[in-house]
Amino acid sequence: NAGVTQTPKFRVLKTGQSMTLLCAQDMNHEYMYWYRQDPGMGLRLIHYSVGEGTTAKGEVPDGYNVSRLKKQNFLLGLESAAPSQTSVYFCASSYLGTGVTGELFFGEGSRLTVL
Amino acid sequence: KNQVEQSPQSLIILEGKNCTLQCNYTVSPFSNLRWYKQDTGRGPVSLTIMTFSENTKSNGRYTATLDADTKQSSLHITASQLSDSASYICVVKAGTYKYIFGTGTRLKVLA
Repeated sequence: NAGVTQTPKFRVLKTGQSMTLLCAQDMNHEYMYWYRQDPGMGLRLIHYSVGEGTTAKGEVPDGYNVSRLKKQNFLLGLESAAPSQTSVYFCASSYLGTGVTGELFFGEGSRLTVL
Repeated sequence: KNQVEQSPQSLIILEGKNCTLQCNYTVSPFSNLRWYKQDTGRGPVSLTIMTFSENTKSNGRYTATLDADTKQSSLHITASQLSDSASYICVVKAGTYKYIFGTGTRLKVLA
């Protein structure tokens, strides 16, 4: 099983450029999340989705947009990249159901550098 | 403010030795607590889950404890191996899709 797949794994951008990170999961999970991981900080939630066609803001949403047109895909967009967005981005998914424990399944991460 | 604090920040031990990682949390509401292992350059992977009523749970050489009264958890690694070198992240689930992450403990196991 592929689980959660993120593309690209590495990207270098110049300030002001735009890009999209793609996350795909094959576990039929309802919930999907985008986190960023910075040195010395815990993972921080950027945006999340509780189902196809729905998205919501997390704790650090500024400068990012997301879309979930299909249940298995969750896209994270940077419209005008800034050096402060240099980070490692993780996509995760979890299953919705009564009594479930909400384990997060993570992708391998996408390392983004903004010059 | 919901918070998860982990200690130590980093740890170096010799192969075969035991170690214990600590996690203190102030999170409400509390659903469960998980320990994740994150290898360098990889995504976190769940090691074990603790619910409110559980005190101890083992997964091979990993043993997690939870004291819900003091809001503390620990992860004990027995007979460490080189492959245990990783970051260990304590995560408290605070709602249907709300997770509070600790900053992690970076463990290095030396031969």
